[in-house]
Amino acid sequence: GENVEQHPSTLSVQEGDSAVIKCTYSDSASNYFPWYKQELGKGPQLIIDIRSNVGEKKDQRIAVTLNKTAKHFSLHITETQPEDSAVYFCAASTGNQFYFGTGTSLTVIP
Amino acid sequence: DGGITQSPKYLFRKEGQNVTLSCEQNLNHDAMYWYRQDPGQGLRLIYYSQIVNDFQKGDIAEGYSVSREKKESFPLTVTSAQKNPTAFYLCASSTEGKGYGYTFGSGTRLTVV
Repeated sequence: GENVEQHPSTLSVQEGDSAVIKCTYSDSASNYFPWYKQELGKGPQLIIDIRSNVGEKKDQRIAVTLNKTAKHFSLHITETQPEDSAVYFCAASTGNQFYFGTGTSLTVIP
Repeated sequence: DGGITQSPKYLFRKEGQNVTLSCEQNLNHDAMYWYRQDPGQGLRLIYYSQIVNDFQKGDIAEGYSVSREKKESFPLTVTSAQKNPTAFYLCASSTEGKGYGYTFGSGTRLTVV
């Protein structure tokens, strides 16, 4: 089955700096790559996603890049704010089931 | 508003007891999923169902059971056979066969007392 690895497991940045979280996947059949944000005690919320026919997608301060050849994709958050502090999960899907990374705990220091 | 409702938010179980976690969705999604989340770990799949009256084991199904009698509902029972049930449980749904657009509930925190 698919194996999704996520790095780093923890990340601290100063407010206003950028944060980058990286994921790799193993199954070349995976074609959908969402990112979720989970705040303490809540369920994950979809923040951005990308499909395999696209190399980059941006939504305000958040962007995701995909390198299909290398089988890796990354989440980029610019101009970080304290409310960006949360756990972020990447996932890869072949169309029938999601496979999640182990999460990155992001702390934005005011 | 469409969404997934999990209840209760907090649940306490005594040793040897079975407990049932509720998950209801009004998104008209065919597929529903149960995940377990432990501190510092990712989401591990317990069970999933792609159509009514059918469900499949995930990676950690031992000690759990499910039913899918209605499209909207996918309850999870944590049985006494699950030796370490304390965790955060998440229910999700998606459009069957596409694996896109997962929507998560707000979770149930189960604690053994």
